[in-house]
Amino acid sequence: DTEVTQTPKHLVMGMTNKKSLKCEQHMGHRAMYWYKQKAKKPPELMFVYSYEKLSINESVPSRFSPECPNSSLLNLHLHALQPEDSALYLCASSPGDGLNEKLFFGSGTQLSVL
Amino acid sequence: LAKTTQPISMDSYEGQEVNITCSHNNIATNDYITWYQQFPSQGPRFIIQGYKTKVTNEVASLFIPADRKSSTLSLPRVSLSDTAVYYCLVGLSGGSYIPTFGRGTSLIVHP
Repeated sequence: DTEVTQTPKHLVMGMTNKKSLKCEQHMGHRAMYWYKQKAKKPPELMFVYSYEKLSINESVPSRFSPECPNSSLLNLHLHALQPEDSALYLCASSPGDGLNEKLFFGSGTQLSVL
Repeated sequence: LAKTTQPISMDSYEGQEVNITCSHNNIATNDYITWYQQFPSQGPRFIIQGYKTKVTNEVASLFIPADRKSSTLSLPRVSLSDTAVYYCLVGLSGGSYIPTFGRGTSLIVHP
């Protein structure tokens, strides 16, 4: 199984809502990532988890809260988002041994904030 | 962190070979060079990875000169389905892997 599964595929939420994005992989990877991608722009790294611990937070606003319940799951909790947070949110995983890492991406969650 | 520079866009025709060059002047000794392909509204997909000289797989070749300050992704005999954005990544920073995407190259293949 070389898939990274993200749910939901699409999400529409209001600025006062609380929602969560989910990501799952069963490749035994120990590093997991959240990226945000706006239209016609490259993916922007948000968070990196290494061995279930948050290792990198790229100065992401606190309205985005990541969680790694176990080595196969990664969540992104959303609260009080702004319309400019509308984007494609991508999850990725990699083996986690740190050198020649290959990222495996999910298909993303297309988020619209109204 | 090694920054990458690629052409913003390229055009080609079906059946031609396409070469996309990426500049990474500050590549670290332990950095590998990895290329990804992305279609609209999908996650990037790994294409090929190398450290030096030449690497070839079933979809592409990667050429890396001795100084490793650049790399060239070669796509043989492209088809319309190769229309996509191509990104090169070099990832190490202070011993930590921080996979940062540059602007990428938008390849359009014409009939």
